Amino acid sequence: SQQGEEDPQALSIQEGENATMNCSYKTSINNLQWYRQNSGRGLVHLILIRSNEREKHSGRLRVTLDTSKKSSSLLITASRAADTASYFCATDENNDMRFGAGTRLTVKP
Amino acid sequence: EAQVTQNPRYLITVTGKKLTVTCSQNMNHEYMSWYRQDPGLGLRQIYYSMNVEVTDKGDVPEGYKVSRKEKRNFPLILESPSPNQTSLYFCASSYPGNEQFFGPGTRLTVL
Repeated sequence: SQQGEEDPQALSIQEGENATMNCSYKTSINNLQWYRQNSGRGLVHLILIRSNEREKHSGRLRVTLDTSKKSSSLLITASRAADTASYFCATDENNDMRFGAGTRLTVKP
Repeated sequence: EAQVTQNPRYLITVTGKKLTVTCSQNMNHEYMSWYRQDPGLGLRQIYYSMNVEVTDKGDVPEGYKVSRKEKRNFPLILESPSPNQTSLYFCASSYPGNEQFFGPGTRLTVL
């Protein structure tokens, strides 16, 4: 069964706007990871946030983790057309990895 | 170049014909894993391995086998493929508890 559930399933924005994707999960985790996938290609790791961390930044990406609510969010600031992709959260529960169904982000130029 | 390779990248086969999808990584990672990706379902873990000769079932192991005889290789075996195993398969590797590196994927069609 899936662990992470992303919300929304699809998101369409204009270039320059911010995009926020949310992920909810059900059990205790060691860490939560966000990945990006371009049309049927391999996933690329974006950020890993450990269960004792609350926020992490990487370039235009900001990830938050709220373990009390079992939720995480990924914020992409100043989006670009090249950010168009599917984004997945994945929870690591003692190396048992569970992915959500993903958020399909479209950034219009 | 650090990478995870999978072969073949595309495969069309018939029901019941045994096949193996190979996966190899050159990063000396202990952890390796296989996933399948189906529309609307995201990635589901099939099997994973914490180290040589150590394998564990993931979420959807039925109909699949794996082996980990060497650290760098983690082949996925379908002894008797069925049409419901038509999917996009990904292999990944990592140090335990760290970011995973994914292979390019293998698109399998079982007729």
